[in-house]
Amino acid sequence: EVQLLESGGRLVKPGGSLRLSCAVSGFSLRPYSMSWVRQAPGKGLEWVSSISSSSKYIYYSESVRGRFTISRDNANNSLYLQMNRLTAEDTAVYYCARGTVEVPAAMSDYWGQGTLVTVS
Amino acid sequence: QSALTQPASVSGSPGQSITISCSGTSSDIGVYDYVSWYQQHPGEAPKLMIYDVSHRPSGVSNRFSGSKSGNTASLTISGLQAEDEADYYCNSYTGTNTLVVFGGGTKLTVL
Repeated sequence: EVQLLESGGRLVKPGGSLRLSCAVSGFSLRPYSMSWVRQAPGKGLEWVSSISSSSKYIYYSESVRGRFTISRDNANNSLYLQMNRLTAEDTAVYYCARGTVEVPAAMSDYWGQGTLVTVS
Repeated sequence: QSALTQPASVSGSPGQSITISCSGTSSDIGVYDYVSWYQQHPGEAPKLMIYDVSHRPSGVSNRFSGSKSGNTASLTISGLQAEDEADYYCNSYTGTNTLVVFGGGTKLTVL
């Protein structure tokens, strides 16, 4: 069974940092692109960042570029999101999601249950 | 890259068909056949319902179908059921450094 389990979300003060993790099981992370998508309380989905299978291609939304860093460890089937200089606007549930093989596109076929980041 | 435009809400009675539109531009939906649709029930993670405009993942009911015309993609749900009541989101590949753009979401109410 494919599973994605996010962790690391918590209450953090403005200007602080946080590192989110996503542990996957039921499939090998290696061939797949991966993404982080967030959802502010009561709001819609917002794409945050995507990374290709080899980490060669990395993309960020305008709202997080320069503050967030996506990375992955294929050997340990894990995806990460380092979040710096956090603001209240970053408060959201953060989902990790499995994308297409190799290079990321729009489709994410499996999603974790999310981890809540609160900046206050 | 601006968000895709979806109606805030749609409704229908059981057994009816509804269509949710997703309007983009000639830089995203209009040029790429990489539009996906997601269903999200309250408190749950999104679920992929349609990918690459009109393809259904294994296990998704054939009551769900997708299409595209110009800069607008559409999700049609036929034979509405109570369990279809949820929020629906579209997204599209953009081919830019801002790789993906989502729609604002549509709340479907089954009357």
